[in-house]
Amino acid sequence: DSGVTQTPKHLITATGQRVTLRCSPRSGDLSVYWYQQSLDQGLQFLIQYYNGEERAKGNILERFSAQQFPDLHSELNLSSLELGDSALYFCASSAWTDQETQYFGPGTRLLVL
Amino acid sequence: AQSVTQLGSHVSVSEGALVLLRCNYSSSVPPYLFWYVQYPNQGLQLLLKYTSAATLVKGINGFEAEFKKSETSFHLTKPSAHMSDAAEYFCAVRVTGTASKLTFGTGTRLQVTL
Repeated sequence: DSGVTQTPKHLITATGQRVTLRCSPRSGDLSVYWYQQSLDQGLQFLIQYYNGEERAKGNILERFSAQQFPDLHSELNLSSLELGDSALYFCASSAWTDQETQYFGPGTRLLVL
Repeated sequence: AQSVTQLGSHVSVSEGALVLLRCNYSSSVPPYLFWYVQYPNQGLQLLLKYTSAATLVKGINGFEAEFKKSETSFHLTKPSAHMSDAAEYFCAVRVTGTASKLTFGTGTRLQVTL
């Protein structure tokens, strides 16, 4: 158990809908990262937050957005969902004192029908 | 931009045999390198990391990796495979600096047979 929690574990929705994925980092970790894992794209970095501020952006679609709240939990919002958004979405966190090491949550498996 | 290439999407070894999973990196600046393991229906677990200290890095579950700058490689090895090692293994690189994102390889699925 990495200490990173993600909810929900599974999500099934329809095209055009909007969903919110939630992540709670390890206690005390200020950085949160979101990754997408799909069969065709592999594991791709989406976005990073540090203490509530966006720090880095990767291959994140404009239909996707994220935020980190004062209690340091983070949410990834996916809107106007398409079939191709079906994937496993991981959240990871790292400590301020050891930013090289990212600890991953169990992921949220999203299926868009 | 940094990248990693994992040679072999599937590797099969017998229980007790040597495990060798290959990873080559590309980076214009000194990299940090990582190996993660993903068991079925689970998240990624850090096996080991190289952050410019010792070139031979020991990780969990008996795995180790050696950073070879001349070969731009960071291969993962384990002397004796166990059935419980069957999983998918990802090599990842992170460039030192302000950006902390990890760039992952495509993964290698390790099968261990009796």
